[in-house]
Amino acid sequence: GQQLNQSPQSMFIQEGEDVSMNCTSSSIFNTWLWYKQEPGEGPVLLIALYKAGELTSNGRLTAQFGITRKDSFLNISASIPSDVGIYFCAGSRDRTTDSWGKLQFGAGTQVVVTP
Amino acid sequence: NAGVTQTPKFQVLKTGQSMTLQCAQDMNHNSMYWYRQDPGMGLRLIYYSASEGTTDKGEVPNGYNVSRLNKREFSLRLESAAPSQTSVYFCASSEGTPHVQFFGPGTRLTVL
Repeated sequence: GQQLNQSPQSMFIQEGEDVSMNCTSSSIFNTWLWYKQEPGEGPVLLIALYKAGELTSNGRLTAQFGITRKDSFLNISASIPSDVGIYFCAGSRDRTTDSWGKLQFGAGTQVVVTP
Repeated sequence: NAGVTQTPKFQVLKTGQSMTLQCAQDMNHNSMYWYRQDPGMGLRLIYYSASEGTTDKGEVPNGYNVSRLNKREFSLRLESAAPSQTSVYFCASSEGTPHVQFFGPGTRLTVL
C-alpha cells in the first residue's frame, strides 16, 4: 500500500495564524478524509469529502476535494493552542480497485501552536 | 456508547512471548481494522474484516493473526513477539463502507 504524500511534515505557528496542509497522490481517490490525532489518543475524524471539487467546513476547519481527485487540502483558520496535534489525510479508492475496503493514510502533519 | 475500546492500553513483552490485543465496538459496524503506527509513517493496515466471519491481510500482516470473534469483537494476536513489532496499535471500525473509520485509543506495545 502506497502512502499518500502529505506536506508539510511539521508546522510551528503562532496563535491566530492560519494553517494550510495538503495531500497528493498519483492515483484517483473517491473519498478524502481528514483526521486529527492528539497525544496518546486515536485519530478523530474532522471532515469527510465525497465529490471532486467539494469544499466542506467544520468550524474553523475547511477542506477541499481536489478537482483532479488526486489531492486534498485542509485549512485551519485563526489557530488556537488546542489545534496542536497530528493531522492525517486518508483516501479510499474505487470499488473496482484492489484497494477497495481500505484507507490509505498520509504520514501526517505535526502542528505546534505557540501563544 | 463507548465507541471503539481496546485493551490493554500499555504492554511490555519479551522477544518470543505471545499476546492478544482486544478490540470491541458498540456501533453495530460491519467492518473492523487493525493498524500499526510508527513514527513518521502514519497508519499501516495489518488486517481487516469486512464483515463477521471474514478477514483479509492488509499492508503489513507478517507476524500477526486475527480473529473476528463476533460482530463486536476483533482481536489481534502476536504469536512470537519481535522488537520490530514495537509500535502503537489501533483498532477501527466502519459502517460497511471503507470510508469513515472510527478509531480506538490505541495499545502501546514495547517488545524487548
